[in-house]
Amino acid sequence: AQTVTQSQPEMSVQEAETVTLSCTYDTSESDYYLFWYKQPPSRQMILVIRQEAYKQQNATENRFSVNFQKAAKSFSLKISDSQLGDAAMYFCAYRSVNYGGSQGNLIFGKGTKLSVKP
Amino acid sequence: ETGVTQTPRHLVMGMTNKKSLKCEQHLGHNAMYWYKQSAKKPLELMFVYSLEERVENNSVPSRFSPECPNSSHLFLHLHTLQPEDSALYLCASSQADSRGEKLFFGSGTQLSVL
Repeated sequence: AQTVTQSQPEMSVQEAETVTLSCTYDTSESDYYLFWYKQPPSRQMILVIRQEAYKQQNATENRFSVNFQKAAKSFSLKISDSQLGDAAMYFCAYRSVNYGGSQGNLIFGKGTKLSVKP
Repeated sequence: ETGVTQTPRHLVMGMTNKKSLKCEQHLGHNAMYWYKQSAKKPLELMFVYSLEERVENNSVPSRFSPECPNSSHLFLHLHTLQPEDSALYLCASSQADSRGEKLFFGSGTQLSVL
């Protein structure tokens, strides 16, 4: 079975600085998706960034980028120029592509609480 | 606004009550999900309705009963719950069978069982 581990329960960053959140996973599959979701106090889970395992190039979305190391099974999230609105819980998630039909069975890590200091 | 609406936002119930959580998606998706988010635990997938089929996590107790009358609406019927069932219940939807499938979540129902 696949597992996702986020080893940092809490992180803190100064506004405008850069922070990296760690995620490791365990799988025997070769094709899968990895995600970072953000959950602000409003509780709504919002997709931040997605990586397809067969793509070697790291995904980027504006100030958010990932460092995907497939051999090491590592998937870290880098937030550049941190803003107060980035304060939230961040969840790393894994999804297999080997199912038929819906592929909604995301496997989540326990999350990292990010605080942003003004 | 992601197009997934959940009601109520908060719910307090006794162990002998029967209540229902409601979820509605306005995105034209064909799959809907219930997730449970407990404190200090990973999110747990409870039920999936996809392409009119139901897939469930066999570890979910029978006191949770899902209902999906159509592709836009999803319910979670609750009866004789236990205090350990107190959690945030999140609904999500997606367009199944697409390689680029993305999940869109609602804001959840915070459930407290007394």
